[in-house]
Amino acid sequence: AQSVTQPDIHITVSEGASLELRCNYSYGATPYLFWYVQSPGQGLQLLLKYFSGDTLVQGIKGFEAEFKRSQSSFNLRKPSVHWSDAAEYFCAVGANSGYALNFGKGTSLLVTP
Amino acid sequence: GAGVSQSPRYKVAKRGQDVALRCDPISGHVSLFWYQQALGQGPEFLTYFQNEAQLDKSGLPSDRFFAERPEGSVSTLKIQRTQQEDSAVYLCASSFQAGGANSPLHFGNGTRLTVT
Repeated sequence: AQSVTQPDIHITVSEGASLELRCNYSYGATPYLFWYVQSPGQGLQLLLKYFSGDTLVQGIKGFEAEFKRSQSSFNLRKPSVHWSDAAEYFCAVGANSGYALNFGKGTSLLVTP
Repeated sequence: GAGVSQSPRYKVAKRGQDVALRCDPISGHVSLFWYQQALGQGPEFLTYFQNEAQLDKSGLPSDRFFAERPEGSVSTLKIQRTQQEDSAVYLCASSFQAGGANSPLHFGNGTRLTVT
């Protein structure tokens, strides 16, 4: 079964600094990979997804992620963080059979002035 | 509607009570999912509907949990004889695509269930 690890529980960055959130997955084939963001008291919003093709994917709000098969990783990046980016970020993996997404435990992002 | 709507927003139940949580998906969305999110955790899959058919209920934690979508639109998640470990946020998500874990999901804001 597929699984997801987000090694960082909390990350603090200064506004304007760059950001990288780590995600490692475990799955035998090429998985479907997603990043979602959750603001307090809200549902999850899709930032970006990877199914196949170009390993660098662009998402909303200036985010991008790179699929690296050799490292089983799908790290999320943003060149310059805004205070409004403070939220919980979830990486998720889906298999090409079945319906469920497996989510990581999330990384909480704090942005300081 | 503009998005996935869930009600109630908050629910407090005494242990042993039955609860029903409602989800109104985006109009025309074929797929509907229920996820459970415990405090400090990521969402965990409960069940999946394609129109009115429940194609996967492998994530339901016990037979006290039951979900339905009788007309292929609104869905209800019912929990019988609630226990404290049922306390969580229950998230509903819908997608215009039919089936598959490659469906980008539109999530509701969730129902926070607290069992006392």
